[in-house]
Amino acid sequence: DQQVKQNSPSLSVQEGRISILNCDYTNSMFDYFLWYKKYPAEGPTFLISISSIKDKNEDGRFTVFLNKSAKHLSLHIVPSQPGDSAVYFCAASVRRGSGNTGKLIFGQGTTLQVKP
Amino acid sequence: DSGVTQTPKHLITATGQRVTLRCSPRSGDLSVYWYQQSLDQGLQFLIQYYNGEERAKGNILERFSAQQFPDLHSELNLSSLELGDSALYFCASSVARANYGYTFGSGTRLTVV
Repeated sequence: DQQVKQNSPSLSVQEGRISILNCDYTNSMFDYFLWYKKYPAEGPTFLISISSIKDKNEDGRFTVFLNKSAKHLSLHIVPSQPGDSAVYFCAASVRRGSGNTGKLIFGQGTTLQVKP
Repeated sequence: DSGVTQTPKHLITATGQRVTLRCSPRSGDLSVYWYQQSLDQGLQFLIQYYNGEERAKGNILERFSAQQFPDLHSELNLSSLELGDSALYFCASSVARANYGYTFGSGTRLTVV
């Protein structure tokens, strides 16, 4: 049962343009959503998060949007840079008080390629 | 350097063997999580420890076990290895709840031949 899904395995974008990575989830008990970036031969690194009580969170070139009614979130990167080329994972955390232990459920990842 | 140390970085072993993967969490972090990433797959949660106690279990096979020691380092033991166990194994740590993202190590690449 894949509770967090990233349906696009890959995305290619021109440098300077916007990159939009999408993620869908099924569990309404998720209360925090996070994006991680992973380069080859390295572990994933935390990028940005959003609480379920918000619909947008921005950090520099990165913005995450949450649409709770659609159970959908997206990561926007503007402008995209070649150094952004990596695998991006969406992750979700279960609401406190629902047996939450802090574990994260990850999607399958989307490989972003930003072309110079 | 993320502060989470995993050893070894690479491991090649034969089917039927047993291996131990080691993780030292970031200083001050009490929670340790183990994840498995198989080819073209996402990160699958295996198990979590908090201050020496098991807190959550995911899709961890009975052939796999883990523990967290008093100094907070953790070990993941994989036994009766099969070809399908070949994967990247990541350890992550956090102070407590992971709302703000926990810190991953660089992983151990296990190849079973």
